[in-house]
Amino acid sequence: KQEVTQIPAALSVPEGENLVLNCSFTDSAIYNLQWFRQDPGKGLTSLLLIQSSQREQTSGRLNASLDKSSGRSTLYIAASQPGDSATYLCAVNSGANSKLTFGKGITLSVRP
Amino acid sequence: DGGITQSPKYLFRKEGQNVTLSCEQNLNHDAMYWYRQDPGQGLRLIYYSQIVNDFQKGDIAEGYSVSREKKESFPLTVTSAQKNPTAFYLCASSMGWRVTGELFFGEGSRLTVL
Repeated sequence: KQEVTQIPAALSVPEGENLVLNCSFTDSAIYNLQWFRQDPGKGLTSLLLIQSSQREQTSGRLNASLDKSSGRSTLYIAASQPGDSATYLCAVNSGANSKLTFGKGITLSVRP
Repeated sequence: DGGITQSPKYLFRKEGQNVTLSCEQNLNHDAMYWYRQDPGQGLRLIYYSQIVNDFQKGDIAEGYSVSREKKESFPLTVTSAQKNPTAFYLCASSMGWRVTGELFFGEGSRLTVL
């Protein structure tokens, strides 16, 4: 059974810092991995999707990498801003029916 | 604008009542999903549907029911059999189960049982 872990559960950084959020998964036989952002009381917004054949994806200040063999993905946020404060979740697709297994998320606070 | 619309945003229910949460998408996606989110527990899959008139149980289907009569609609009924229904419910869709596509979410519905 696939398990997805995100540690730490919460992170606080000063504005302008570059930071890395980690995601680990137990079964390397995945189709893709997706990073989401969730603001309090809101739905999830898709940030980046990495297919199993890819090593990384970039969107603006965000860069996500995938290392299937070690069961790890990282989300790199460059020059963090207070507006980046949110919960970041990773989810792994291990089956052909697109059922995802989610981590519990990392709550990020960027201090002005 | 294409997207997923969930309604209502907030819902209060008395114990013993059934409630139905609406989910509509205009993305022309084949697959639709219902997740439940509780503090500290992450998202858990309730039901999913890969095509019209077909749906499958997820990890926590007990006490819930769904229908998929139209491609764009996937309503979730929380029945009185659900022992702990207070939660944040999220609907999602993706292009299809054959394609390892991106998952898109609605804004969620928060159900509180009084």
